[in-house]
Amino acid sequence: DTGVSQNPRHKITKRGQNVTFRCDPISEHNRLYWYRQTLGQGPEFLTYFQNEAQLEKSRLLSDRFSAERPKGSFSTLEIQRTEQGDSAMYLCASSSGLPGRQYFGPGTRLTVT
Amino acid sequence: AQTVTQSQPEMSVQEAETVTLSCTYDTSENNYYLFWYKQPPSRQMILVIRQEAYKQQNATENRFSVNFQKAAKSFSLKISDSQLGDTAMYFCAFMKQFTGNQFYFGTGTSLTVIP
Repeated sequence: DTGVSQNPRHKITKRGQNVTFRCDPISEHNRLYWYRQTLGQGPEFLTYFQNEAQLEKSRLLSDRFSAERPKGSFSTLEIQRTEQGDSAMYLCASSSGLPGRQYFGPGTRLTVT
Repeated sequence: AQTVTQSQPEMSVQEAETVTLSCTYDTSENNYYLFWYKQPPSRQMILVIRQEAYKQQNATENRFSVNFQKAAKSFSLKISDSQLGDTAMYFCAFMKQFTGNQFYFGTGTSLTVIP
């Protein structure tokens, strides 16, 4: 069990640029989640995959955000035309079996200048 | 909509003492799960304890226990024999049982254990 990994760990981008983050879940986990966490707040749910199917999306996930999980393995989260308000920590988590027991990655910190 | 409220932004406790973190939630659901997650400084978030709403018995995990009051929609975490490694942000979270996997987190309580 190598844990959930996320890349990159930090990303600085200029407003208007597109960015893509990657999450590699624990290999046997079929559920994958993306969250956004801003300073002083708890994680906010963005989207959920079961295998390759995206089953839930938060209203927070505007049309500038898109997530994929091809073949039910790793996942990518893309933000198009970034805005300063997108600056946050983006967390990925995976799970299997016991409902709600999620294993979190270290996060990708995005700074939009 | 579900909301989770943690009214204590910061708390501190002496090493080896006991501390209780508060959490209240609002939902119209009858079947759900509640969780406490811990986020140590610069480290990954990990699950501390989990409670199913249909179970009246409070969950315990070693030094961690909860006081689950379903009618009051209250879910507090008690940490006994506090250790320096318990210093972290603690998040209370809610998840519906049958109708989705969306998690709702509170704003967190920053706990400092003082040597």
